[in-house]
Amino acid sequence: GQNIDQPTEMTATEGAIVQINCTYQTSGFNGLFWYQQHAGEAPTFLSYNVLDGLEEKGRFSSFLSRSKGYSYLLLKELQMKDSASYLCAVLDSNYQLIWGAGTKLIIKP
Amino acid sequence: GAVVSQHPSRVICKSGTSVKIECRSLDFQATTMFWYRQFPKQSLMLMATSNEGSKATYEQGVEKDKFLINHASLTLSTLTVTSAHPEDSSFYICSARAGGNDYEQYFGPGTRLTVT
Repeated sequence: GQNIDQPTEMTATEGAIVQINCTYQTSGFNGLFWYQQHAGEAPTFLSYNVLDGLEEKGRFSSFLSRSKGYSYLLLKELQMKDSASYLCAVLDSNYQLIWGAGTKLIIKP
Repeated sequence: GAVVSQHPSRVICKSGTSVKIECRSLDFQATTMFWYRQFPKQSLMLMATSNEGSKATYEQGVEKDKFLINHASLTLSTLTVTSAHPEDSSFYICSARAGGNDYEQYFGPGTRLTVT
């Protein structure tokens, strides 16, 4: 079966750095997405990785290792507005998105 | 960037009535649209995938006669919740994909449905 694992909840302090991990086992791989979702709102796109390595975009970076079936989202200089759920999703061999359950990130002052 | 709209944003209806939700891609043609449902504090659950001009593909456990999906054009898909019941109360989100080599899903803002 297809499976994506990410922690249910994480807590971090304003101004700090947090890393949200995602591991996956899917039938084929055509890329991995990270989305941010605030409560009561739709998801918004953060990043897309299809090759191994680190992609940096401002305070957010995303890393991928295809051989390990592993990705992480790194958030730097945390702000209170970063409190949200972070969803990992893999594009499988049929180009269908397989979604993780999401990681709820709580930022404390 | 690609923009997807959804209407209405909130709707309250009585049990037994039907509700139609519209999803539009405003600045691109969406070859594929997706409908999700999300209950409080839970992750997205894909309900169905629809391609323009063809019947929607429903996920296991989703009643196609209850959740009618129409994707009549490359910019519009509709979801009709028929004979709604309180347990259908949820956050319904659509997304659209342009196709080609663009596999990103662009999400609409969601529709909060409350069935009384």
